[in-house]
Amino acid sequence: GAVVSQHPSWVICKSGTSVKIECRSLDFQATTMFWYRQFPKQSLMLMATSNEGSKATYEQGVEKDKFLINHASLTLSTLTVTSAHPEDSSFYICSARGLDWGEQYFGPGTRLTVT
Amino acid sequence: QKEVEQDPGPLSVPEGAIVSLNCTYSNSAFQYFMWYRQYSRKGPELLMYTYSSGNKEDGRFTAQVDKSSKYISLFIRDSQPSDSATYLCAMSLAAGNKLTFGGGTRVLVKP
Repeated sequence: GAVVSQHPSWVICKSGTSVKIECRSLDFQATTMFWYRQFPKQSLMLMATSNEGSKATYEQGVEKDKFLINHASLTLSTLTVTSAHPEDSSFYICSARGLDWGEQYFGPGTRLTVT
Repeated sequence: QKEVEQDPGPLSVPEGAIVSLNCTYSNSAFQYFMWYRQYSRKGPELLMYTYSSGNKEDGRFTAQVDKSSKYISLFIRDSQPSDSATYLCAMSLAAGNKLTFGGGTRVLVKP
């Protein structure tokens, strides 16, 4: 099946620092990757859509300068949370779809805690 | 009003029972419909992927889409305690487009 990995699975950082989260498609090439955040007991909220080699498209209300997304290859997308604050603490999940697929497969998620 | 509505539950059933889940939506342009299962602190796992109206069966899972009523369902037969999770419906306007999720239904299957 289609496997998506994320690294790290859990990160704690201090307020004001930046954190990078990686999303990789392990057994397929992902033309499009999506980044979501999820608060406890809530559903997933799409943050941005990234296509390989082009700029990400951010959802309304998501600060593009704060959440930097880079989709450098067909198997890797990164999300960098810059100048993190405690309110950025959340569960960040990526998903990816293959070249001719409609289905999206999700990574295991990254839990970010900002102290 | 949310674009996709889903009863949050929890839905508690005895082991072996049929679990019935559903979502309603307001945007008639949605064409692709998915069901995901999410365990606590894990990423969602794709269970079913369907296009337009109709039924689809995969093992113990059956997905139904009724576009005229803007209503989709997921049935889980012979439920097991390992099926205890949150089930999320999702839909998109076109294949591979961004997904719009329901709020999720928490299911508890009791042994």
